[in-house]
Amino acid sequence: QSALTQPASVSGSPGQSITISCTGTSSDFGSNNLVSWYQQYPGKAPKVMIYEGSKRPSGVSNRFSGSKSGNTASLTISGLQAEDEADYYCCSYVNSDTWVFGGGTKLTVL
Amino acid sequence: EVQLLESGGGLVQPGGSLRLSCAASGFTFRNFAMSWVRQAPGKGLEWVSGISGYSDYTYYADSVKGRFTISRDNSKNTLYLQLNSLRDEDTAVYYCAKFDGARIQLWSFDYWGQGTLVTVSS
Repeated sequence: QSALTQPASVSGSPGQSITISCTGTSSDFGSNNLVSWYQQYPGKAPKVMIYEGSKRPSGVSNRFSGSKSGNTASLTISGLQAEDEADYYCCSYVNSDTWVFGGGTKLTVL
Repeated sequence: EVQLLESGGGLVQPGGSLRLSCAASGFTFRNFAMSWVRQAPGKGLEWVSGISGYSDYTYYADSVKGRFTISRDNSKNTLYLQLNSLRDEDTAVYYCAKFDGARIQLWSFDYWGQGTLVTVSS
């Protein structure tokens, strides 16, 4: 069960847009498997930001969006704000009744 | 309001055992699959185990298969994780999380507890 591949860190200035990628294999991202994305502040529990690849839970800002192309899923945050500075993780169901997380990406708002 | 409250963490020696609990409220517990996710100090998230609503299916990461056992008591709205043969590398915060989604390939973790720390050390 190899982890999905995410960049270790990304950064952006307030108001800019950033994209965090999440790359897996065809078995990770089969046609029926869609990624979820989680935001985590230091010392806090994760919070779901995107589920089923591109859906936003109630209460999550529409500045957060998800997409997928081939074996790469992406989380885009537009209009970057200081409060977006956190760790972000992707997660996917794998075709063996297991789930795998990405290694995590630390977002820094400059 | 959905609430998940973990307990049972602590310091245990290598080779020892521990049982974690997660008390759930604010939703119909038996209708949802549940999961445990852990995070070693300074590291990323790692999915550990999952269980269907009526315990007919259980799921485990290779790293814990044969050592950890997930279970639930729907009459008590409580999820459990029995940790046996503990190793140093099992040291982590263990989170209880609720699954949601129309089918297993779409399940995501929509609510999380605050976590309980398990430290394996001699």
